[in-house]
Amino acid sequence: EAAVTQSPRSKVAVTGGKVTLSCHQTNNHDYMYWYRQDTGHGLRLIHYSYVADSTEKGDIPDGYKASRPSQENFSLILELASLSQTAVYFCASRQGNTEVFFGKGTRLTVV
Amino acid sequence: SQWGEENLQALSIQEGEDVTMNCSYKTYTTVVQWYRQKSGKGPAQLILIRSNEREKRSGRLRATLDTSSQSSSLSITGTLATDTAVYFCAAMLSGSFNKLTFGAGTRLAVCP
Repeated sequence: EAAVTQSPRSKVAVTGGKVTLSCHQTNNHDYMYWYRQDTGHGLRLIHYSYVADSTEKGDIPDGYKASRPSQENFSLILELASLSQTAVYFCASRQGNTEVFFGKGTRLTVV
Repeated sequence: SQWGEENLQALSIQEGEDVTMNCSYKTYTTVVQWYRQKSGKGPAQLILIRSNEREKRSGRLRATLDTSSQSSSLSITGTLATDTAVYFCAAMLSGSFNKLTFGAGTRLAVCP
C-alpha cells in the first residue's frame, strides 16, 4: 500500500514566523504535490514537483516555497506566516497517469 | 482557473436514490479522476478515466468523460448513508508537467 506521511499533523504558528511542513513518500513516485484546503472548499494547488531538486508553481504559489531535496521528500515552506494561510495542507504523490495518494493532512493555524 | 464551476455544490438525497455529479473543465486534459473526501480525511481516488475512454465503472460508481464538451460525470447508484462525503473531479493537464488540479467539488449528504 502506497504511503504518504505528513508532519506535523497539526501546528500553531505565530504571524510572521517561519513554518515548514514536511512530506515523505515511500512509493518511489516521481510526482509530488502540495495543496491547501480551506473549510468548505476544494483543494488548491500550491506547488508540485516531478523530479528531485526541481519544483513548479501551482495555482496559488504566493507566500509559499517548496523544496524537493530527494525523490522521497517534499517540503512546503512559509517564510512569513500570515493569518490567511490558516488551512489544512495536503501532500500527495503519483507515478505516471495513475492513482494519486494523499497524506492525512496538516492542520495549520496561524495566530 | 481550469474549471467551469467555481463554488462547492451541495446535494442532499435519501438513501437508495441514484445521484449524478458533474464537472466541466476548460483546458485539455488527458486524465480525469474522481475523488471522495470524508470529513477529516484526505481525498481518496474512486475512478480514473482517460481521454480515450467514454465510460468507466467500479461497483456502484460510473464515470463518464466527454472530451468534446470537456465534461465528466460521476454517478452513484443505490446510495448508502456511508456515501456521504465531498466528491471532487481532478484533471491532469497535458503539457504542464502533469499538473493535477481539482474542481470545487460536490458535498453529498445521503440521509438514511
